[in-house]
Amino acid sequence: RKEVEQDPGPFNVPEGATVAFNCTYSNSASQSFFWYRQDCRKEPKLLMSVYSSGNEDGRFTAQLNRASQYISLLIRDSKLSDSATYLCVVNGDNYGQNFVFGPGTRLSVLP
Amino acid sequence: DVKVTQSSRYLVKRTGEKVFLECVQDMDHENMFWYRQDPGLGLRLIYFSYDVKMKEKGDIPEGYSVSREKKERFSLILESASTNQTSMYLCASSWRASTEAFFGQGTRLTVV
Repeated sequence: RKEVEQDPGPFNVPEGATVAFNCTYSNSASQSFFWYRQDCRKEPKLLMSVYSSGNEDGRFTAQLNRASQYISLLIRDSKLSDSATYLCVVNGDNYGQNFVFGPGTRLSVLP
Repeated sequence: DVKVTQSSRYLVKRTGEKVFLECVQDMDHENMFWYRQDPGLGLRLIYFSYDVKMKEKGDIPEGYSVSREKKERFSLILESASTNQTSMYLCASSWRASTEAFFGQGTRLTVV
């Protein structure tokens, strides 16, 4: 089983749609969780950290369920500029000193 | 803003050459990482370092070594480049284990 798994995608949605991405992780000792965004041929950039209580940043909402080892990202009112690959990231080992990336889910927002 | 700078955006090297990829961060981060990214395989950790002169193997260390002589600089070395090391290489740094990682712009290495 892979350490971090994500919806395989791609997701093709019209502008204005709401889209949800799911992620599961296998290491119950993981303490930190993030969503990154990666544009084509660019480096990953932090979109948002994910907190136990859930958190929201504008149109983006992240949720964490530690019992189920599940993370989600909800994007409301999708924009063309949201088109990218979304990476779920957890800190990976028992020392929490490295990051494990999911394979990513590609989103295309269509006009 | 945190800045992580990789020495080259694009490199072309010959099989058997020794290749150095350099990474510098300007925010006094403790942790530094080297990943490679390949289509269909995602980001895979090669090595990481949590302190000067300290290094830990990641998931795919074979064929690579690293050096961290100064806190701000983390070098990836391909001892004898091979064509299967053609890839995008990404350096990252983070302040602590629980904080987010910041990435350099990546080095696209082609080994011919």
